[in-house]
Amino acid sequence: GAVVSQHPSRVICKSGTSVKIECRSLDFQATTMFWYRQFPKQSLMLMATSNEGSKATYEQGVEKDKFLINHASLTLSTLTVTSAHPEDSSFYICSARTDNEQFFGPGTRLTVL
Amino acid sequence: RKEVEQDPGPFNVPEGATVAFNCTYSNSASQSFFWYRQDCRKEPKLLMSVYSSGNEDGRFTAQLNRASQYISLLIRDSKLSDSATYLCVVNSGGYQKVTFGTGTKLQVIP
Repeated sequence: GAVVSQHPSRVICKSGTSVKIECRSLDFQATTMFWYRQFPKQSLMLMATSNEGSKATYEQGVEKDKFLINHASLTLSTLTVTSAHPEDSSFYICSARTDNEQFFGPGTRLTVL
Repeated sequence: RKEVEQDPGPFNVPEGATVAFNCTYSNSASQSFFWYRQDCRKEPKLLMSVYSSGNEDGRFTAQLNRASQYISLLIRDSKLSDSATYLCVVNSGGYQKVTFGTGTKLQVIP
């Protein structure tokens, strides 16, 4: 199947700093990628849809100024958590779709101290 | 009512047992359905799609009941390696509208 990578896999940062997470489709082009967040014992929640060459579409309740998404190429989307706070600590997963199947990155565990 | 609901479990079953999970969805216009498997602290991986006529893949059988708005996953001859969280996923229309259930945790015991 298609491969999606994420970097970093784990990050610990201080409150108030910004963190950038990269999502890459390694063997296919993805005009659309998705960013999810998963808190412990909860389901994956879609945060935003990242569209190559245009603005991301954010789900209700997700602050676009706090979670900056850039989809600069057909294989790379980045999510920047600006001014991170402890409540932003979570498991962030990106995904990309081909045909009718969705492939997920390995996830990034963010811990904000 | 949640868009997609699952019994969180855990389901603790002995090796070799048969176990079934159900998942209900609220949007009658939902178009496609999937079961994903997620191991602890890992990304979800597609287990199987769910077709209207039901489908089987080895020890796994998925069924869809549109009238009652639920899908099911049956696992026969459970293996220790089947221990994971099984996520029900529903596409309610449009390219983006994919909703995940909270998952059902399965623990297969030796």
